[in-house]
Amino acid sequence: EDQVTQSPEALRLQEGESSSLNCSYTVSGLRGLFWYRQDPGKGPEFLFTLYSAGEEKEKERLKATLTKKESFLHITAPKPEDSATYLCAVLNAGGTSYGKLTFGQGTILTVHP
Amino acid sequence: DVKVTQSSRYLVKRTGEKVFLECVQDMDHENMFWYRQDPGLGLRLIYFSYDVKMKEKGDIPEGYSVSREKKERFSLILESASTNQTSMYLCASSSTGNTQYFGPGTRLTVL
Repeated sequence: EDQVTQSPEALRLQEGESSSLNCSYTVSGLRGLFWYRQDPGKGPEFLFTLYSAGEEKEKERLKATLTKKESFLHITAPKPEDSATYLCAVLNAGGTSYGKLTFGQGTILTVHP
Repeated sequence: DVKVTQSSRYLVKRTGEKVFLECVQDMDHENMFWYRQDPGLGLRLIYFSYDVKMKEKGDIPEGYSVSREKKERFSLILESASTNQTSMYLCASSSTGNTQYFGPGTRLTVL
């Protein structure tokens, strides 16, 4: 059974204080790893897809990296508007091609001014 | 831009009522999904559809049914709403094997 564990559960940062969020996964064959941002009361917003170990993707202050066992979401010099819940999900390469994701519980990020 | 819309942002229903939640996507995606999201439980898949009139049960299908008569539209039906179905309902769509894009969510309260 696929498993995704995110840590920490909650992270409080001061504005400008860089840090990383972790997503550890167990999957029989990885087709893709996805990062989403979710604001309170809204649907998840897609950030990145990573397909293979060593891959990196960046968007503004966010950078996602992938190894064979985990992914990191690095946040450089965060701003208060980066406060949100960040979700990680994996797509198994086996089974059907319909794209059933396994989600982690999320990391709640709060950035104080 | 990918757009997934849901018929209501907030909905209040009474126990025993039949509830319809509608989702529409404009990207010609084959796959559509219904999730519910609850504090401490994360996102859980209720049903998904990989083609018109095709559906598959997810992890928690009990108490729900779905309908997909057109490619762009996927409906979630609560035949007889119960208080334990109070939740945030999220619809998503994707092309095969690719990124799922989510709608804004429907916050359903069953009294």
